[in-house]
Amino acid sequence: EDQVTQSPEALRLQEGESSSLNCSYTVSGLRGLFWYRQDPGKGPEFLFTLYSAGEEKEKERLKATLTKKESFLHITAPKPEDSATYLCAVQARYSGGGADGLTFGKGTHLIIQP
Amino acid sequence: DAGVTQSPTHLIKTRGQHVTLRCSPISGHKSVSWYQQVLGQGPQFIFQYYEKEERGRGNFPDRFSARQFPNYSSELNVNALLLGDSALYLCASSPGPSPYNSPLHFGNGTRLTVT
Repeated sequence: EDQVTQSPEALRLQEGESSSLNCSYTVSGLRGLFWYRQDPGKGPEFLFTLYSAGEEKEKERLKATLTKKESFLHITAPKPEDSATYLCAVQARYSGGGADGLTFGKGTHLIIQP
Repeated sequence: DAGVTQSPTHLIKTRGQHVTLRCSPISGHKSVSWYQQVLGQGPQFIFQYYEKEERGRGNFPDRFSARQFPNYSSELNVNALLLGDSALYLCASSPGPSPYNSPLHFGNGTRLTVT
């Protein structure tokens, strides 16, 4: 069974204090790993797709990296508007009846204090 | 451009009742997926439809069903509601059949409360 574990569950940072969020995964062949941002009362917003170990992608203050067992979302000099829950999800290469459904982690609730 | 729209935004139902949730995908998107998000958890996959055919089903009971219409909009139906069905139901659309090369775009969900 595919599993995604995110840590920490919650993280409180001061504005400008850089940090990393972790996503560990177990999957029967990885097709893609996805990062989403979710604001309260909203649906998840797509950030990145990573396909293979060693790949990196950047967007503004965010950089996502991927190894064979985990992914990191690095946040550089965060601002209060970066406060949100960050979700990690995987798509397995062989998912049986689930076809192309994503398996999500529980998310990391990030708070950036001014 | 309009994003994924879901209706209603909030809904309160009693145990044993039936509910229908609706979703309109982004224009041009042919795939619709449904996810259930219980408070404090990540979304859990329920169904995917592509070109009006069921493409995948998650680990949910037969009380859950869905369909996609010729205009690519979709309905999620849940029968015999249980307290445990209380959750945020998210609809996501994408141009192609797989998130692998066609990322999901989510709506803001329908908040279902079962009493």
